[in-house]
Amino acid sequence: EAQVTQNPRYLITVTGKKLTVTCSQNMNHEYMSWYRQDPGLGLRQIYYSMNVEVTDKGDVPEGYKVSRKEKRNFPLILESPSPNQTSLYFCASSSLAGELTNEQFFGPGTRLTVL
Amino acid sequence: EDQVTQSPEALRLQEGESSSLNCSYTVSGLRGLFWYRQDPGKGPEFLFTLYSAGEEKEKERLKATLTKKESFLHITAPKPEDSATYLCAVLPSGGYQKVTFGTGTKLQVIP
Repeated sequence: EAQVTQNPRYLITVTGKKLTVTCSQNMNHEYMSWYRQDPGLGLRQIYYSMNVEVTDKGDVPEGYKVSRKEKRNFPLILESPSPNQTSLYFCASSSLAGELTNEQFFGPGTRLTVL
Repeated sequence: EDQVTQSPEALRLQEGESSSLNCSYTVSGLRGLFWYRQDPGKGPEFLFTLYSAGEEKEKERLKATLTKKESFLHITAPKPEDSATYLCAVLPSGGYQKVTFGTGTKLQVIP
């Protein structure tokens, strides 16, 4: 089954404790992206990646890191989480047709609470 | 800066009562406009991509249209299962692949 998986689905942590949210897709997609979703602010893009070893900032990259060492995986790293990073996080992937980005397939989401 | 504004924020319809959702956008150049559906507690699910003004796409009771400044999602004779939040997103032209989403329209269809 074609899917994007994220782990963990729920996480409660404390300020300053480094964490990683994993994302994996089995569709051989080139493009992967991370979003956060907050009430009233909608989905905001954190980072995206066009292919292995190619990443770029979205609208809200501060406080986050990503890496793309393998095509299927795109982990999101919070080196020193703060309470304002409490949010619902989504990973997404899509194929690339020429330079166009096709529909994105979204993961089930990770609800993060930073105390 | 790219901007996407969706209206209304919330919409309540009787079953069978047709209506439209609006997505206004400001981008330097549009490569594509996307519509997604999101159910509570789940990730967004793709509905349509529109690429140029005048383009229309349909899927069951949904029809999406695009002009140079806005897109409409028309819902014909909606059913309760159409209740969801509908999101609009734009991909600007140029070398970047940065997607900007609107805040969505929460649709409730009452039996």
